[in-house]
Amino acid sequence: AQTVTQSQPEMSVQEAETVTLSCTYDTSESDYYLFWYKQPPSRQMILVIRQEAYKQQNATENRFSVNFQKAAKSFSLKISDSQLGDAAMYFCAYRRGGATNKLIFGTGTLLAVQP
Amino acid sequence: DSGVTQTPKHLITATGQRVTLRCSPRSGDLSVYWYQQSLDQGLQFLIQYYNGEERAKGNILERFSAQQFPDLHSELNLSSLELGDSALYFCASSVASGLAEYQETQYFGPGTRLLVL
Repeated sequence: AQTVTQSQPEMSVQEAETVTLSCTYDTSESDYYLFWYKQPPSRQMILVIRQEAYKQQNATENRFSVNFQKAAKSFSLKISDSQLGDAAMYFCAYRRGGATNKLIFGTGTLLAVQP
Repeated sequence: DSGVTQTPKHLITATGQRVTLRCSPRSGDLSVYWYQQSLDQGLQFLIQYYNGEERAKGNILERFSAQQFPDLHSELNLSSLELGDSALYFCASSVASGLAEYQETQYFGPGTRLLVL
């Protein structure tokens, strides 16, 4: 069975600084997708970034980028120029390719941004 | 705003009762997923519907059931409620048509917070 592990329950970063959140996953599949979702205090789940396993290039979305290491099964999220609004719980998620495509989530990392 | 709507936002009920949670997917999305977020279990997949038919089941209790209607909205029915059913229930949707089915992203609604007393 596929699993997703986030080993950092909490992280803290100074405003305008850079922080990296870690995620590892375990799968025997070759076709899969990886996601980072943000859950602010409102509890809404907001997609931050996605990565297709078949793509070697790391995904980027403005201040958010990933470091996808397929052989190591690692998928970390880098937030540059951190802003107060980035404070939230961040979940790493895995989805196997194909029609049955449930998301498997990690336990989350709570990010605090210090002014 | 993801375009996925869920009602009600909050629900307080008693043990043994039955409730229905409603989800309207984004316009054009054919797939609906239900997830449960609780303190002890984290975020867990419950069930998926695609164009009215059940597609996949996860850790959904027998006391829970769901369906997707012809207009593509979905309902999650929770019966014989127990204290441990208190959680945030999310609905997500994705486009899932043709080849895009293999590449779509799931967009989440705001959730329904259920409290069983």
